[in-house]
Amino acid sequence: EDKVVQSPLSLVVHEGDTVTLNCSYEVTNFRSLLWYKQEKKAPTFLFMLTSSGIEKKSGRLSSILDKKELFSILNITATQTGDSAIYLCAASRRDSNYQLIWGAGTKLIIKP
Amino acid sequence: DTAVSQTPKYLVTQMGNDKSIKCEQNLGHDTMYWYKQDSKKFLKIMFSYNNKELIINETVPNRFSPKSPDKAHLNLHINSLELGDSAVYFCASSHGSGGSNQPQHFGDGTRLSIL
Repeated sequence: EDKVVQSPLSLVVHEGDTVTLNCSYEVTNFRSLLWYKQEKKAPTFLFMLTSSGIEKKSGRLSSILDKKELFSILNITATQTGDSAIYLCAASRRDSNYQLIWGAGTKLIIKP
Repeated sequence: DTAVSQTPKYLVTQMGNDKSIKCEQNLGHDTMYWYKQDSKKFLKIMFSYNNKELIINETVPNRFSPKSPDKAHLNLHINSLELGDSAVYFCASSHGSGGSNQPQHFGDGTRLSIL
């Protein structure tokens, strides 16, 4: 059975710290790994990773995929209170254009 | 400018009632979805529609029925509401035809509370 596991489930750090969120997957016919940020409302798209070893960056956020070890990490440097959210990881399959396999999320709290 | 919009944002109703949640997207996407997010924040796919065809139907009770009048709309009807239906329901859309690999865009959610 396909699964996506995120760790840690929750994390509390101080403003300015750097955090690393983990996402491992076991997915048949894996195609890509997606990261979303969910604050109070809708999950918002952050990154889609398809190739191993190519880092994607957006401001203080970056992510990379390792298709050999079947995991991805999301890094956030110089964290701010606005980074507090649930970070969701999801995997897509080559034989399904539509269905995503979701992790349970990491709840990140940034203290001032 | 709203990309994926769903109404209502909040829905409080009693057990046994029938209710609908509406969703519209103006992104020109081919595929729309309904998700249920429970208190543990786990997103569970319920349905997806591509070009008016139901292409995923997970183990969801038949009290839940999606209705898509056109590819920009996917409404969710729920009959005989139960306490366990309390959750946040998210609508999403993506380009999904022809093997494209595009992310899903989500609406703000509808918080359903059953009394």
